[in-house]
Amino acid sequence: GENVEQHPSTLSVQEGDSAVIKCTYSDSASNYFPWYKQELGKGPQLIIDIRSNVGEKKDQRIAVTLNKTAKHFSLHITETQPEDSAVYFCASRFNDYKLSFGAGTTVTVRA
Amino acid sequence: KAGVTQTPRYLIKTRGQQVTLSCSPISGHRSVSWYQQTPGQGLQFLFEYFSETQRNKGNFPGRFSGRQFSNSRSEMNVSTLELGDSALYLCASSLREPTNEKLFFGSGTQLSVL
Repeated sequence: GENVEQHPSTLSVQEGDSAVIKCTYSDSASNYFPWYKQELGKGPQLIIDIRSNVGEKKDQRIAVTLNKTAKHFSLHITETQPEDSAVYFCASRFNDYKLSFGAGTTVTVRA
Repeated sequence: KAGVTQTPRYLIKTRGQQVTLSCSPISGHRSVSWYQQTPGQGLQFLFEYFSETQRNKGNFPGRFSGRQFSNSRSEMNVSTLELGDSALYLCASSLREPTNEKLFFGSGTQLSVL
């Protein structure tokens, strides 16, 4: 099955700085890559997603890049704010109906 | 529009018992997926239903089962509970069908097995 590795496991950044989380996937047939944010006591919330026919996608302070050749994709958060503190999960979809998730990155934004 | 609703929010059971968890998807969504979340293993796929049919199943033992009703509500059942079944069980429904993209998750059911 699909294997997704996510790094780093924890990330501490100063407010206003950028944060970058990287994921690699194993199956070249994977075609959909979402990112989720999970706050304490809540379920994961979709923040951005990208399909394999697109190299980059941006939504305000959040961007995702995809390198199909290297089989990795990254989440970039610019101008971080305290409310960005959460656990972030990357995922990839190998077949149509299930996602394989990375282990998560705990992001802490220091004021 | 109401989000994905999972009940109960917390459950405490003992080994050997069985448990049933409930999920109501967002109105109009026909696809429901279930995931198990543990601190060490992250989110692991359990199964997915679309219009009452199980389309995919993860690598979990047969003690884990599910079903979906005609109103798209779904239940999952775990029989003969083991300590290792303690986890947050998340349900999600999909905005985009049938490809199951853009999952919306509920807040989960926290199951503790003693």
